[in-house]
Amino acid sequence: GDSVTQMEGPVTLSEEACLTINCTYTATGYPSLFWYVQYPGEGLQLLLKATKADDKGSNKGFEATYRKETTSFHLEKGSVQVSDSAVYFCALSSSKIIFGSGTRLSIRP
Amino acid sequence: DAGVIQSPRHEVTEMGQEVTLRCKLISGHNSLFWYRQTMMRGLELLIYFNNNVPIDDSGMPEDRFSAKMPNASFSTLKIQPSEPRDSAVYFCASSPSGNRRNTEAFFGQGTRLTVV
Repeated sequence: GDSVTQMEGPVTLSEEACLTINCTYTATGYPSLFWYVQYPGEGLQLLLKATKADDKGSNKGFEATYRKETTSFHLEKGSVQVSDSAVYFCALSSSKIIFGSGTRLSIRP
Repeated sequence: DAGVIQSPRHEVTEMGQEVTLRCKLISGHNSLFWYRQTMMRGLELLIYFNNNVPIDDSGMPEDRFSAKMPNASFSTLKIQPSEPRDSAVYFCASSPSGNRRNTEAFFGQGTRLTVV
């Protein structure tokens, strides 16, 4: 069945460091791909999405490119801030929405 | 729109008691998902509905769990009898109609359930 595998955390970085969180997927057909973010005590909220191969989703300085050849959708940000500390989930949508296990990100001032 | 609304936000109950979690969908959305989040297992899809009809309940842990959509805008998740291992944060999410593949889910703030 369809599945999402993402990099295990926790990930701890200093402010202004570069971030990459890896995500790969397995799916039949052509799913849409998403990154969600969960701040402490809150539900998940959509960060960005891409609906077809080579699409790039971007929001709040984060970006991810839908790579069909490598079945990947890695999340990147050039310079992280303390406020980016959260749990990040990669997800795919085909007949239902399937989430990865989440990656906890902590940013040190 | 106020978004997906879940109640209660926190619930503490004794083992063996019945627990009912509630969810109000965003107006106009016709897909509804119930998820459970724990440290050990992450985010698990329990069940999802499309147009009030359960489509996939393969994630429901056992017969103690049941979910309903009595109308297009409201859902309940019931656990009876509750057990300590049911302690988790339960999320409800809704999604609009149309092309399922392209539409994201909108999450409520969750219900933190503690069974003692």
